[in-house]
Amino acid sequence: SQQGEEDPQALSIQEGENATMNCSYKTSINNLQWYRQNSGRGLVHLILIRSNEREKHSGRLRVTLDTSKKSSSLLITASRAADTASYFCATSTTGRRALTFGSGTRLQVQP
Amino acid sequence: DGGITQSPKYLFRKEGQNVTLSCEQNLNHDAMYWYRQDPGQGLRLIYYSQIVNDFQKGDIAEGYSVSREKKESFPLTVTSAQKNPTAFYLCASSDGAAPFDTDTQYFGPGTRLTVL
Repeated sequence: SQQGEEDPQALSIQEGENATMNCSYKTSINNLQWYRQNSGRGLVHLILIRSNEREKHSGRLRVTLDTSKKSSSLLITASRAADTASYFCATSTTGRRALTFGSGTRLQVQP
Repeated sequence: DGGITQSPKYLFRKEGQNVTLSCEQNLNHDAMYWYRQDPGQGLRLIYYSQIVNDFQKGDIAEGYSVSREKKESFPLTVTSAQKNPTAFYLCASSDGAAPFDTDTQYFGPGTRLTVL
């Protein structure tokens, strides 16, 4: 079962623009994580936000978490062609280390 | 050079055959996981192991089996009972000793399995 659903499914922007992706989930969580996947490759961990945090930054990434709405957003500022990839949110729920992934957002950054 | 390796990168199987996908990690992680990814989809959990000699079914375990005899290794067997095994298979590991709310996963490069 998919815990998270991402929106939009696909996003195409120009280099230098900001990209925003949203994730919604269904049950209470320990944390929410964002991963990046380049085509045909493994996933790379980007950032983790705990359930008691509201916002977190890492370089050009900004993640917000609203537990009352069961939603999160990932903002990539000043995007680059190298940011072209699929981005997945994943949640960890109580008593389970294994993650539940959303369906992903495919980001295309045009040079 | 620490990390997770998966082999082979590509695997072709005839219908009715069992195949085993390899996953090895040298990160000294206790927990290991297997996920399946279908085209354009997210990852779904097949099996996970919190510690050696212990493993738990995930959301789509039917038609798969695993073993965890060594900390470094978590092989996945795709049996002939798996009705639609063509997919991209990803192995991951995590510390397992870290608090639940900060535990992150590290992924291997994946194995693409195709049934002929």
